[in-house]
Amino acid sequence: SAVISQKPSRDICQRGTSLTIQCQVDSQVTMMFWYRQQPGQSLTLIATANQGSEATYESGFVIDKFPISRPNLTFSTLTVSNMSPEDSSIYLCSVEIGTGAYEQYFGPGTRLTVT
Amino acid sequence: AQSVTQPDIHITVSEGASLELRCNYSYGATPYLFWYVQSPGQGLQLLLKYFSGDTLVQGIKGFEAEFKRSQSSFNLRKPSVHWSDAAEYFCAVGASDSWGKFQFGAGTQVVVTP
Repeated sequence: SAVISQKPSRDICQRGTSLTIQCQVDSQVTMMFWYRQQPGQSLTLIATANQGSEATYESGFVIDKFPISRPNLTFSTLTVSNMSPEDSSIYLCSVEIGTGAYEQYFGPGTRLTVT
Repeated sequence: AQSVTQPDIHITVSEGASLELRCNYSYGATPYLFWYVQSPGQGLQLLLKYFSGDTLVQGIKGFEAEFKRSQSSFNLRKPSVHWSDAAEYFCAVGASDSWGKFQFGAGTQVVVTP
């Protein structure tokens, strides 16, 4: 497994602003993922973030709204841009440990409230 | 594309009683199946996984799950629940042709009563 941390753990933001969420892993990983968990809902994959290449976004998510950086094998950021109340969610990063292990381990999440 | 259904949104169980959470999946080939648990204010913790082989898999915290291809199911069980098992449980399915893209079920909220 891995130790995954996220910053901030929670935030309250005003609509129209942007928030950058950081995800740090204690070991080098190839695959990192960003998920959104809306209130009372399940997890939805936003994008896959690979080091050295652009993130791959799932249907319904675009780079202008959710820009992602992956500068190295232990760190990634997700920015939620031009926020609206509908962006209020828990945002989680996850990593795959080991090539071909096909297991994802999750960070503690960032609880975002947009007012 | 794969999909997963958890028919039970909410389950209440007495401490010491057995627990079974249902999960049904839809996928053309052999899926990769997972159960995660999310305690209040916590991230997701992997309980167990099934890739191939023995259809009864053991996980952490005394949980087990059984893969039944004929029923497209991967139900989670625990013989005797503890108060600390109160949490939300998510079934997830992955596929070899969409590496890393997990589809999560809606989740089952488990409440444990004394």
